[in-house]
Amino acid sequence: QKEVEQNSGPLSVPEGAIASLNCTYSDRGSQSFFWYRQYSGKSPELIMFIYSNGDKEDGRFTAQLNKASQYVSLLIRDSQPSDSATYLCAVGHQAGTALIFGKGTTLSVSS
Amino acid sequence: ETGVTQTPRHLVMGMTNKKSLKCEQHLGHNAMYWYKQSAKKPLELMFVYSLEERVENNSVPSRFSPECPNSSHLFLHLHTLQPEDSALYLCASSQDHGSTDTQYFGPGTRLTVL
Repeated sequence: QKEVEQNSGPLSVPEGAIASLNCTYSDRGSQSFFWYRQYSGKSPELIMFIYSNGDKEDGRFTAQLNKASQYVSLLIRDSQPSDSATYLCAVGHQAGTALIFGKGTTLSVSS
Repeated sequence: ETGVTQTPRHLVMGMTNKKSLKCEQHLGHNAMYWYKQSAKKPLELMFVYSLEERVENNSVPSRFSPECPNSSHLFLHLHTLQPEDSALYLCASSQDHGSTDTQYFGPGTRLTVL
């Protein structure tokens, strides 16, 4: 059974700090990795995706992938109260199969 | 309208009712999905359609019946539901049904079964 694990949190950080969100996955054949943000009562929205080992940066967000350790993370620099949400990690295995989502980590940024 | 839309946004129904959820995507995508999101649980994939054909059905009870009349529309027909079926039902679409295809979600239907 393919699994995606995330700490449920809440993860609390002060405004301006770096928030680090982690995700591990069980299937070594996983090929694609997505981070979604979901505000309370809203639907998930894509933040970024990563396919290759290493770092990928987009504004204040950096995704990090380590396939050997089966680990993907999301760093949020200069955290803002508006970043307070649940962050979902999703992992894709191969073409023709759907993504598998983790339970999500709740982030709370205090001003 | 742009993106993925869902109607109704909220639905309250009794266990003997029949209702339908509707999803429409305006992105020109070929794949559409139904997910169930309950409190404290991961998103649960229910059904996947690719080019109007069902390609995944994840052991969903028969009281949930999907329909995909064309690549832009997806329905979820509900019949004789149970209180534990109360959840947020999300529709999503992607360009194709591949592991690298980003899924775009609709706003969801909040379903309450009495």
